[in-house]
Amino acid sequence: ETGVTQTPRHLVMGMTNKKSLKCEQHLGHNAMYWYKQSAKKPLELMFVYNFKEQTENNSVPSRFSPECPNSSHLFLHLHTLQPEDSALYLCASSQVVRTGAGAKDEQFFGPGTRLTVL
Amino acid sequence: KQEVTQIPAALSVPEGENLVLNCSFTDSAIYNLQWFRQDPGKGLTSLLLIQSSQREQTSGRLNASLDKSSGRSTLYIAASQPGDSATYLCAVTNAGKSTFGDGTTLTVKP
Repeated sequence: ETGVTQTPRHLVMGMTNKKSLKCEQHLGHNAMYWYKQSAKKPLELMFVYNFKEQTENNSVPSRFSPECPNSSHLFLHLHTLQPEDSALYLCASSQVVRTGAGAKDEQFFGPGTRLTVL
Repeated sequence: KQEVTQIPAALSVPEGENLVLNCSFTDSAIYNLQWFRQDPGKGLTSLLLIQSSQREQTSGRLNASLDKSSGRSTLYIAASQPGDSATYLCAVTNAGKSTFGDGTTLTVKP
C-alpha cells in the first residue's frame, strides 16, 4: 500500500455526466500531479500543483478541471467527456529534497482510477 | 523538449535468466532518473531512483546504472522470476516535471 490513495478505483460515466476523481497523499509532500495513461501510449502529464498552486497545465482540454484545496488533496473534475478520454488516471506526489548527492525529486503514485466514458 | 526512449518494447525470457532493460533520454539536465514497475491496470511502483551525480543503485536483484553524459540508463534484473513479469518504465525528472518512456513489457516464463 502506497502513501497515495485514489478514489474511485473504477468509474463509468456518460458523456453528459459530471464526476470527480479524488487523490490524497499522506507523505507530507508539497507537489501533486495528474497523469493520463491511455492504451499503447506513454504516460502523459496533465497538471502539476506546488504548494496548492498550479504550475503546469499540459494543454489539457477544459472538460478536465483540477482543484487543489491543500497540499494533501487533489481533485480532477470531469464534465462532458468524450469516449477517447477513457484511460487510467494516475495521481502522484513528490517533494524535492537536498542530499549529499544533489537534488532528488522522487515520485510516488496512487493505484489509479480506471475511467470509461460511454 | 525531453524525450525518453525504452528498448526493447517487449521481452520474453525463461525463468532464471539475467536481463537488461534500456532507457535513453535526450536532455542531460535532470535531477534524477527513476525506474518503475507497473502491473496491468495498476499504479506505478518505484523500484530505484538514481540522482544525477550517481552512477548506480542496487536493490536486491535489481541494479540500475546511469550515464548522464550519454543519456543512458540500464536496469539489470538478475535471476529473473515469473513474478517479475510486468511493464517497466523509466522516467527522468527536472524542476518538478517528469518525462516517461513507453515502457518495456517483460514476460518471464516458468
